[in-house]
Amino acid sequence: EAGVVQSPRYKIIEKKQPVAFWCNPISGHNTLYWYLQNLGQGPELLIRYENEEAVDDSQLPKDRFSAERLKGVDSTLKIQPAELGDSAVYLCASSKGQGATDTQYFGPGTRLTVL
Amino acid sequence: GESVGLHLPTLSVQEGDNSIINCAYSNSASDYFIWYKQESGKGPQFIIDIRSNMDKRQGQRVTVLLNKTVKHLSLQIAATQPGDSAVYFCAENKGGATNKLIFGTGTLLAVQP
Repeated sequence: EAGVVQSPRYKIIEKKQPVAFWCNPISGHNTLYWYLQNLGQGPELLIRYENEEAVDDSQLPKDRFSAERLKGVDSTLKIQPAELGDSAVYLCASSKGQGATDTQYFGPGTRLTVL
Repeated sequence: GESVGLHLPTLSVQEGDNSIINCAYSNSASDYFIWYKQESGKGPQFIIDIRSNMDKRQGQRVTVLLNKTVKHLSLQIAATQPGDSAVYFCAENKGGATNKLIFGTGTLLAVQP
């Protein structure tokens, strides 16, 4: 079974430019998560989707970040405009359900460098 | 362990020895705990989990111990192998309405051949 797929794996942009990341979760997984991981730290949740509904976006900086999961399968996370401090790894994860014990499976991440 | 350049606690062990990685969690109401392994350039990989009504759970070569009194979690790896070299994160789920995983600071495990 294929795992969580993310693209691109690496992205280098100049500040103030837009950038988008794509995620395809494991087939049949209804819950999708976007995390931010700074160097040397654990992932921090940005947004959680249950099917196409964003059920927790409290940590998403909405002035520049947006996300969508229109058909309840794959998802896109966008930053516009990017700032130097956005340089990090953006991880996508999925789980079968939204229960506390539903294991979250992570993709390889997209490493963003903002110059 | 000592902090290294990235300020990650580091545990250095010899191949074949047992490893113990420790984690302190923050919320006494957390009811579910997970250990993840993250290799360089990859996403976190699930290792083992434990619910708050247990104090010990064993998997293949790994054991997780939970001490709710002092809010402490540990991961024991038996007969550590070079392939175990990675950053290990504990995560707590506060459950309830938030249902959010909170990750701790990782520990870098370096296995010396």
